[in-house]
Amino acid sequence: NAGVTQTPKFRVLKTGQSMTLLCAQDMNHEYMYWYRQDPGMGLRLIHYSVGEGTTAKGEVPDGYNVSRLKKQNFLLGLESAAPSQTSVYFCASSPRPGQGFITDTQYFGPGTRLTVL
Amino acid sequence: DAKTTQPPSMDCAEGRAANLPCNHSTISGNEYVYWYRQIHSQGPQYIIHGLKNNETNEMASLIITEDRKSSTLILPHATLRDTAVYYCIVRGLPQGGSEKLVFGKGTKLTVNP
Repeated sequence: NAGVTQTPKFRVLKTGQSMTLLCAQDMNHEYMYWYRQDPGMGLRLIHYSVGEGTTAKGEVPDGYNVSRLKKQNFLLGLESAAPSQTSVYFCASSPRPGQGFITDTQYFGPGTRLTVL
Repeated sequence: DAKTTQPPSMDCAEGRAANLPCNHSTISGNEYVYWYRQIHSQGPQYIIHGLKNNETNEMASLIITEDRKSSTLILPHATLRDTAVYYCIVRGLPQGGSEKLVFGKGTKLTVNP
């Protein structure tokens, strides 16, 4: 049971390049999330998904797109990277309340460190 | 979600108990208290959560006051690997979709040899 994994661990991009970050979970969780963490700041939610085929915007969605084609995977895309997107990106997943769980404790991946030059 | 207040930093000797306080005086009746921690350069890690009763698991104990306005996370025998930023988060059940966890500044716990 690997939990939540993220690919890649590190990446350097030039301004204007595109890339996709992959998050995978093997816990059969319904909900998945993408956060970013900048120095001196807490985690901020970018997008989230409450099930396969559904996504929703978080508090900082601009410049990012997501897809949840399979329950276990949640992809975060940057179409045209900007230096302001230099950050550490964390993916998380949680079970849906009611599936034998009272609360939606979130489990996080190890993070992807992205630098945009 | 209710706001929480935590001391910015604490020190603890290795092998001793670490008691991390959290104030949440505006907590409402259906809101849970969660604790997460983030070890340097790693993703946040869930520790424990509770509603009104004290809770214990293999990592820690959570003591919630009777009026629920404050709580204490207890690491019974702190090790150097427990050095991390500890976040106290108060939130209710998600409404419809599952909203973000609001991580404040947390408490930087340093365990000293």
